[in-house]
Amino acid sequence: AQSVTQPDIHITVSEGASLELRCNYSYGATPYLFWYVQSPGQGLQLLLKYFSGDTLVQGIKGFEAEFKRSQSSFNLRKPSVHWSDAAEYFCAVGRMDSSYKLIFGSGTRLLVRP
Amino acid sequence: EPEVTQTPSHQVTQMGQEVILRCVPISNHLYFYWYRQILGQKVEFLVSFYNNEISEKSEIFDDQFSVERPDGSNFTLKIRSTKLEDSAMYFCARDTGPGYNEQFFGPGTRLTVL
Repeated sequence: AQSVTQPDIHITVSEGASLELRCNYSYGATPYLFWYVQSPGQGLQLLLKYFSGDTLVQGIKGFEAEFKRSQSSFNLRKPSVHWSDAAEYFCAVGRMDSSYKLIFGSGTRLLVRP
Repeated sequence: EPEVTQTPSHQVTQMGQEVILRCVPISNHLYFYWYRQILGQKVEFLVSFYNNEISEKSEIFDDQFSVERPDGSNFTLKIRSTKLEDSAMYFCARDTGPGYNEQFFGPGTRLTVL
């Protein structure tokens, strides 16, 4: 069965510091991978996605993620965090069959220290 | 401009009552989804809907739930007899198209069952 694991429930970083949020997946085929961000009381905004090709993908707001098949990982990174990045981040894996549903991880809450 | 709008933004209902949550895609797409997020938990897939038919539904989507697109525009989720545990944020999403799996989420409807 497919699953997505985000091992860090909370992460706190100082503003200006670098960030890496971890995501591991379990899926039998080549996955379609996504990172979404959710600000308090808001919906889900797509940050970036990986379908195929270059394993380092760039997204919005200065985020990037790297797909590593050998480690079944798709970690999200940002070189310099801004206070406005404080939010909940969800990793998701998509299926390319009849339903195309997304399976989400449990999320990582990012806190930014001034 | 949001890709998807949802109404109402917040719905409070008594246990046992019927509720209808609405989703209006901005663009004329064929793939739609409902997800829910219980407070503090991860986003869970409920149902996918393609070409006016259910493609897949999760174990959560029991006989109390139904979806339809009655007028070819609005996409609705109906809960016939709400339970306390139905309290959650419900998100509608639409997909770019088959095989692309880039889902755009609406802002959500917060359902509170008393």
